[in-house]
Amino acid sequence: DIVMTQSPLSLPVTPGEPASISCRSSQSLLYSNGYNFLDWYLQKPGQSPQLLIYLGSYRASGVPDRFSGSGSGTDFTLKISRVEAEDVGVYYCMQALETRTFGQGTRLEIK
Amino acid sequence: QVQLVESGGGVVQPGRTLILSCAASEFTFRTYVMHWVRQAPGKGLEWVAIISHDGTNRYYADSVKGRFIISRDNGKNTLYLQMNSLRPEDTAVYYCATEGRYDFSSGGYYGFLDVWGKGTTVTVSS
Repeated sequence: DIVMTQSPLSLPVTPGEPASISCRSSQSLLYSNGYNFLDWYLQKPGQSPQLLIYLGSYRASGVPDRFSGSGSGTDFTLKISRVEAEDVGVYYCMQALETRTFGQGTRLEIK
Repeated sequence: QVQLVESGGGVVQPGRTLILSCAASEFTFRTYVMHWVRQAPGKGLEWVAIISHDGTNRYYADSVKGRFIISRDNGKNTLYLQMNSLRPEDTAVYYCATEGRYDFSSGGYYGFLDVWGKGTTVTVSS
């Protein structure tokens, strides 16, 4: 089974500052077609999760461009260029190479 | 866009069976691959199961394999999760989700969890 490991687990950020979350997989998520089978989701307080990024770096419809995904193989990063108050919540990476597995989640809070 | 409403949650004793439903608002439900995802109290997300658009292919997380059954009725626009031999560790909010699709130019496609319901709560306790 593919294990997903996120860091940090807690991330206090000052509004307007950048933020970065790391996600590592126990095996490569790079598929034979050159795409990385990894998504990022955000669960805001009291809400259902929502898709932010798919295929490692493709922003979902309606997601602000301050969110970006990068990485390949086993190491991935979600970056927020300038954190806003509405970005508070728990961020999850998820592999889609073999069924699905989520990371533990990273809780972003405003300082 | 499709909307999803889960139901069927409640309090159930260990070892018993509970069936969850996920009603979709759109008739195109039959074209969607569907997922169940759960979240234990205060914990992270755990993927549970997936079913193909026509119900012929189903896969499960190891934690529920052999106990849970995912199914669908495309005529009723409804997804189901039959949960047998329930354990206290199955206590969670259960979400259903549609699979969005990105088509590769070289053929094939990629599925991501697109539209989510608001979830239904299952508590397994004696």
